[in-house]
Amino acid sequence: EVQLLESGGGLVQPGGSLRLSCAASGFTFSSYAMSWVRQAPGKGLEWVSAISGSGGSTYYADSVKGRFTISRDNSKNTLYLQMNSLRAEDTAVYYCAKSGPGDILTGYPFGYWGQGTLVTVSS
Amino acid sequence: DIQMTQSPSSLSASVGDRVTITCRASQGISNSLAWYQQKPGKAPKLLLYAASRLESGVPSRFSGSGSGTDYTLTISSLQPEDFATYYCQQYYSTNTFGQGTKLEIK
Repeated sequence: EVQLLESGGGLVQPGGSLRLSCAASGFTFSSYAMSWVRQAPGKGLEWVSAISGSGGSTYYADSVKGRFTISRDNSKNTLYLQMNSLRAEDTAVYYCAKSGPGDILTGYPFGYWGQGTLVTVSS
Repeated sequence: DIQMTQSPSSLSASVGDRVTITCRASQGISNSLAWYQQKPGKAPKLLLYAASRLESGVPSRFSGSGSGTDYTLTISSLQPEDFATYYCQQYYSTNTFGQGTKLEIK
């Protein structure tokens, strides 16, 4: 059974940093691209970033480019999102999601999602 | 970037009704279109992909159609558990979600 478990959310001041983690199990983690998707309170879904199975390719939404860094440790079956220079508008539930096989960053829907972790940016 | 315009933003319907939600892409996406259902406090759930392919375990009352830039999600006979928010997503070029359609009980 595929399981994705996010952690690391919390309250952070504007300009601060936070690192989210997503522990994966139930599938060959290194064989799949992964993404982060966020949802601001009461709002819709926004794709944030994607990383290939090997970790060699990454992609970011314009809204986070230069501030967020996606990475993965395939030996630990864990996906990360390092968030720097946080803004109030980054407040959201952050979900990790399993995408398609291999090193392709697009072309597949998100078949599995974690339960999400809440990030609140406020002073 | 590809923009997705979903309509309506909200919809009131009764159990047993047939409902349709539409999604329009700003350019052709070659059927690289998925539909998700989200209930309050829960993660989205994949319903359909490739515009019309039903994800395993999803009831057959859900169906999808479309091509090019225009796509639809149809629920043939609403059940109480179907009242939720629905999102379309294009995955032809990175990823973009529609704004969502909140389906409420009339």
